[in-house]
Amino acid sequence: GNSVTQMEGPVTLSEEAFLTINCTYTATGYPSLFWYVQYPGEGLQLLLKATKADDKGSNKGFEATYRKETTSFHLEKGSVQVSDSAVYFCAHTTGTSYGKLTFGQGTILTVHP
Amino acid sequence: EPEVTQTPSHQVTQMGQEVILRCVPISNHLYFYWYRQILGQKVEFLVSFYNNEISEKSEIFDDQFSVERPDGSNFTLKIRSTKLEDSAMYFCASSASGEKLFFGSGTQLSVL
Repeated sequence: GNSVTQMEGPVTLSEEAFLTINCTYTATGYPSLFWYVQYPGEGLQLLLKATKADDKGSNKGFEATYRKETTSFHLEKGSVQVSDSAVYFCAHTTGTSYGKLTFGQGTILTVHP
Repeated sequence: EPEVTQTPSHQVTQMGQEVILRCVPISNHLYFYWYRQILGQKVEFLVSFYNNEISEKSEIFDDQFSVERPDGSNFTLKIRSTKLEDSAMYFCASSASGEKLFFGSGTQLSVL
């Protein structure tokens, strides 16, 4: 079946630390992969995406590479800021529409000054 | 920046009552969605809506659920007879093309 698994949280880091949030997936067909972010009091926002193997999605200093061989899409950032504190969701879709997303459980990130 | 608006932010209801959750999608969007997140669980797809009809729905979206776009601007989710297990955060989303989804900040539904 289709599923997404994220690393257990919460994650607490100091400002300027390196961030990795692991994400693996199972899917039928050829999924597109996404990271969504939810800041406090707001809706989920698309952070980045990748639509085929070896694609790298990037935005706001975050990166994730679509690894088909390991079925992974790990999120990384070289130097986090306090403003990156949020909940991060990995997701995929395998339908003809991007709209039907399968989400991971979300990872709470807290960055301290 | 345009955004998806959901009202109310928090809804409390008694078991067996009907509730309607309201959403105002971004104005030029054509695809509309409802998702929900039960506390401590994953965000789950409920239904997608395009061209005034349901295009896809999950197993969760049974006969107790319905969606409607009554006036060309609002998009509503109705639960006819709420159960305790319907308590969750409900997210509305819209999209111009079915690719990038824009989510609202959610309605927290509490069924007592």
